[in-house]
Amino acid sequence: DGGITQSPKYLFRKEGQNVTLSCEQNLNHDAMYWYRQDPGQGLRLIYYSQIVNDFQKGDIAEGYSVSREKKESFPLTVTSAQKNPTAFYLCATLNLQGRYGYTFGSGTRLTVV
Amino acid sequence: DAKTTQPPSMDCAEGRAANLPCNHSTISGNEYVYWYRQIHSQGPQYIIHGLKNNETNEMASLIITEDRKSSTLILPHATLRDTAVYYCIVRSTSGSARQLTFGSGTQLTVLP
Repeated sequence: DGGITQSPKYLFRKEGQNVTLSCEQNLNHDAMYWYRQDPGQGLRLIYYSQIVNDFQKGDIAEGYSVSREKKESFPLTVTSAQKNPTAFYLCATLNLQGRYGYTFGSGTRLTVV
Repeated sequence: DAKTTQPPSMDCAEGRAANLPCNHSTISGNEYVYWYRQIHSQGPQYIIHGLKNNETNEMASLIITEDRKSSTLILPHATLRDTAVYYCIVRSTSGSARQLTFGSGTQLTVLP
């Protein structure tokens, strides 16, 4: 099956801890994205990457970091600098050569306890 | 990429057609209109996209006005499972990974 795998589905973190969310794709899509969604709100872009070893900040990058060491993987680290990390996190991919839109993962719900 | 405007919420009776509007008055010539929907606590799902002609697939129909400044997503026979948030976005296929803006969308509630 081609698709995006986000893990874990639910994640709990203590205040002050860093945590890494996984996003893996086997669609061979060029671009990968991380979005944050708060209850009742739309999606806000955290980071995106068009090619390996390159990424750009989105609208709300503060307190987050990413890496793109290989095409298939785009992990997101939520650092202790992110003051309000409890949210639903979505990973997406995009085939830049095609006319079709985003493919989204099933999301990770992060809760700070 | 052009921004879009959608009503925050709509209701529809089960079995009736749901017509969801979207305004994209600043759309440029090479930008497509895309529709997605998000069922609670899941990732958004692609529905349909179009450039200037009307499009239909197994899920929905997309009607784009002649001036391309607005569009309507039509779910011909809404079911309870169509209750979701529907997002309209526009995107150029120029090959850039430039970010897209997902607004708050339209919360469609299908009523029994």
